[in-house]
Amino acid sequence: AQSVTQPDIHITVSEGASLELRCNYSYGATPYLFWYVQSPGQGLQLLLKYFSGDTLVQGIKGFEAEFKRSQSSFNLRKPSVHWSDAAEYFCAVGVLTNFGNEKLTFGTGTRLTIIP
Amino acid sequence: DGGITQSPKYLFRKEGQNVTLSCEQNLNHDAMYWYRQDPGQGLRLIYYSQIVNDFQKGDIAEGYSVSREKKESFPLTVTSAQKNPTAFYLCASSVPGGTYEQYFGPGTRLTVT
Repeated sequence: AQSVTQPDIHITVSEGASLELRCNYSYGATPYLFWYVQSPGQGLQLLLKYFSGDTLVQGIKGFEAEFKRSQSSFNLRKPSVHWSDAAEYFCAVGVLTNFGNEKLTFGTGTRLTIIP
Repeated sequence: DGGITQSPKYLFRKEGQNVTLSCEQNLNHDAMYWYRQDPGQGLRLIYYSQIVNDFQKGDIAEGYSVSREKKESFPLTVTSAQKNPTAFYLCASSVPGGTYEQYFGPGTRLTVT
């Protein structure tokens, strides 16, 4: 069965420092991968997505992610974080159900705290 | 502006009462989804619908029901059979056809006491 693992529940980073959030997936077919961000009490906003092609994808707010098939990973990075990046981040993989319907399977999320 | 509307933002109910959460979209998307979010558990799929008058159970459908009479609307009813209904509920929509990308509403926080 498909699954997504985000091994870090909570990460604290100083403002201006670099960031990497880890995501590992398990899915038999070619994965469609996503990173979403959620501010407290809000819905999810898409940061970036990978379907095919270049394994380094750029997203909004200066984020990027790299797909590594050999490691089944899709880690999210940002070279210099801002206080406004404090939020919860979710990795997800797109899967087809037995009925041929599309759905997303999410990881449990990583909460990012920024310290001055 | 196109988007997904969930109302109300906060909802309070007494135990034993059914409650219906609203989800409306004007994105002209065929597919709609309901998720439940609890701290530390990510998003878990309750129900989804790919077309009008059709829907499927997700991973945690017990104690919930849905309808899809209109393309724009996908209401979720939390029944008294749901043992632990207090949670944050998120609605999403997408365009089926291989992108898998979902757009999310702002969510409804349901508290049952």
